[in-house]
Amino acid sequence: GAVVSQHPSWVICKSGTSVKIECRSLDFQATTMFWYRQFPKQSLMLMATSNEGSKATYEQGVEKDKFLINHASLTLSTLTVTSAHPEDSSFYICSALRASWAHRGTQYFGPGTRLTVL
Amino acid sequence: GENVEQHPSTLSVQEGDSAVIKCTYSDSASNYFPWYKQELGKGPQLIIDIRSNVGEKKDQRIAVTLNKTAKHFSLHITETQPEDSAVYFCAASIYGGSQGNLIFGKGTKLSVKP
Repeated sequence: GAVVSQHPSWVICKSGTSVKIECRSLDFQATTMFWYRQFPKQSLMLMATSNEGSKATYEQGVEKDKFLINHASLTLSTLTVTSAHPEDSSFYICSALRASWAHRGTQYFGPGTRLTVL
Repeated sequence: GENVEQHPSTLSVQEGDSAVIKCTYSDSASNYFPWYKQELGKGPQLIIDIRSNVGEKKDQRIAVTLNKTAKHFSLHITETQPEDSAVYFCAASIYGGSQGNLIFGKGTKLSVKP
């Protein structure tokens, strides 16, 4: 149990286009999901916290108009990178916070999405 | 805010030996401490976690210990195997505050030599 999927697993796009990444919790409900960015050989950097039915909370330095987050249901959050540029190329990973007392605080991560902007 | 320090940054052991990775945290209010294993090109996988009301937890070859007074926790892997080679991240959070944000250490690259 506790499986989180991401789609697509990798994407290549041209500069100026927008890319949408989906994050789904497959076998549990997640009122809160998180989006991270990871550069090579570095730790995970939290970009934003996504709560079902409300606006996302962005970390300092993350442009909310560039990284649009929607958490439309208890099992789906999406991240849209708008007007992508080469510097947006990175590994994007989502996680889902399992909403049960026994698993309080436990985050399960998706497999990640490799974005390459040409 | 919370700060998590992780050591060592790289660790090389012989197959069958034990590996120990240590983390310290700064916020005494932190109450949840997970460990993740990340293989190249993949997302982090939760391998074990511990809460502040427990001092030690074991799952087969993996164990985690927590010292709340000293504010440090450690991952112990016994009888290491080549498939244990990966990057390991420790993290800390205050569940119930700040929506459970995890603060990660910088990671330890473990190499197990056959």
